[in-house]
Amino acid sequence: SYVLTQPPSVSVAPGETARVTCGGSYIGTKSVHWYQQKPGQAPVLVIYYDSDRPSGIPERFSGSNSRNTATLTISRVEAGDEADYYCQVWDTSSDWVFGGGTKLTVL
Amino acid sequence: QVHLVQSGAEVKKPGASVRISCKASGDTFTSHTMYWVRQAPGQGLEWMGWVNAGNGNTQYSQKFQGRVTITKDTSASTAYMELSNLRSEDTAVYYCASGSTLKEVPAFDYWGQGTLVTVSS
Repeated sequence: SYVLTQPPSVSVAPGETARVTCGGSYIGTKSVHWYQQKPGQAPVLVIYYDSDRPSGIPERFSGSNSRNTATLTISRVEAGDEADYYCQVWDTSSDWVFGGGTKLTVL
Repeated sequence: QVHLVQSGAEVKKPGASVRISCKASGDTFTSHTMYWVRQAPGQGLEWMGWVNAGNGNTQYSQKFQGRVTITKDTSASTAYMELSNLRSEDTAVYYCASGSTLKEVPAFDYWGQGTLVTVSS
């Protein structure tokens, strides 16, 4: 089965740039989606197809995907960005797969 | 824009079954695939299965094969997820989500509010 690996936690100061990685075998050949989940709330789509932003998501959120790592980048981090972030792909052997999630802490 | 509203919290005994509903509004129901995802306390997201609201096709995660059934009622714009033979490890928040059937590898664009299922004797 296909496995996505995320760091359990990332910490960043307000105004700095946060990068959340998602590792997977040849993930660069797949489409990656990213979700933000705040405590007690349902997940929200923040990036789809590697780097596209849904309407209403700030331009501070961006994504990239190459070779074996996809990355969610949050520029000029704000306190309100503190949340868990999950990457997701579709794989022929596993169907839908989520990464284990990364807790973003704003210092 | 799609709005998904799920049924309320459930408490079940081990061995029982639970059925959760997910009512969609705001867009053509049959142009969406309805997904079910669960999240155990303090854990990550886990995909369970999906139903194509247009043609009724389904696909289930191997982990839940044989215990999960996902259906839809087009007239009610509602998807259902039934999980049988419940055990304590099934205690979780269950989410429905939707994605467009018109896209290849669609994202889960919209999510329901979640339904807490507690399995306890």
